Amino acid sequence: QVQLVESGGGVVQPGRSLRLSCSASGFSFRSYAMHWVRQAPGKGLEWVAVISYDGSKKYYADAVQGRFTISRDSSRNTLYLHMSGLRAEDTAVYYCARSETTDYFGYWGQGALVTVSA
Amino acid sequence: NFMLTQPHSVSESPGKTVIISCTRSSGSIASKYVHWYQQRPGTSPITIIYEDSQRPSGVPVRFSGSIDTSSNSASLTISGLKTEDEADYYCQSYDNGRWVFGGGTKLTVL
Repeated sequence: QVQLVESGGGVVQPGRSLRLSCSASGFSFRSYAMHWVRQAPGKGLEWVAVISYDGSKKYYADAVQGRFTISRDSSRNTLYLHMSGLRAEDTAVYYCARSETTDYFGYWGQGALVTVSA
Repeated sequence: NFMLTQPHSVSESPGKTVIISCTRSSGSIASKYVHWYQQRPGTSPITIIYEDSQRPSGVPVRFSGSIDTSSNSASLTISGLKTEDEADYYCQSYDNGRWVFGGGTKLTVL
């Protein structure tokens, strides 16, 4: 069965960096585009970034453009999100999700909490 | 860029039917598929409707989706409400390299 497991969350000071990982199993990882979606405490879902199946294309939400970098290592079946210049408003649970062909999120991980605080 | 607007909350009694709307601010609702997710407290979202009206395997037939071009909106209908349907529901669509979610609707089954 499809499994997505995020790791790397934690508490980080404003302005610092953090890298999230998402380990995928149960499907052909190299065949699917992958996303990061976040949810601030008590708030709704917000799309963050997407990477194509082969890593050649990447798109970002305006709120993170220039600060976050999405990448993947298909030899390790792992998706990454490198976050730099973190701000308090980046505090959220970050989910990785598999992209389906008609642009929806077919499977979600359990999420990783990132807290940006001094 | 477009937005998707949902009611903040709805409530209904068990056994009844509820409809949650999702209105697109610009561009045709029919131009891109609308998808729906359910998120119970403390859990990750799951897909309950994709491609406007398709149900993934395992999702009860009580859940259905549709679009209405006259109101430029999509709707999620849940019939025969059960207490376990109490959750947050999000619509989502895509355009021009952006994946957009509605603000979410909290469904209370009382």
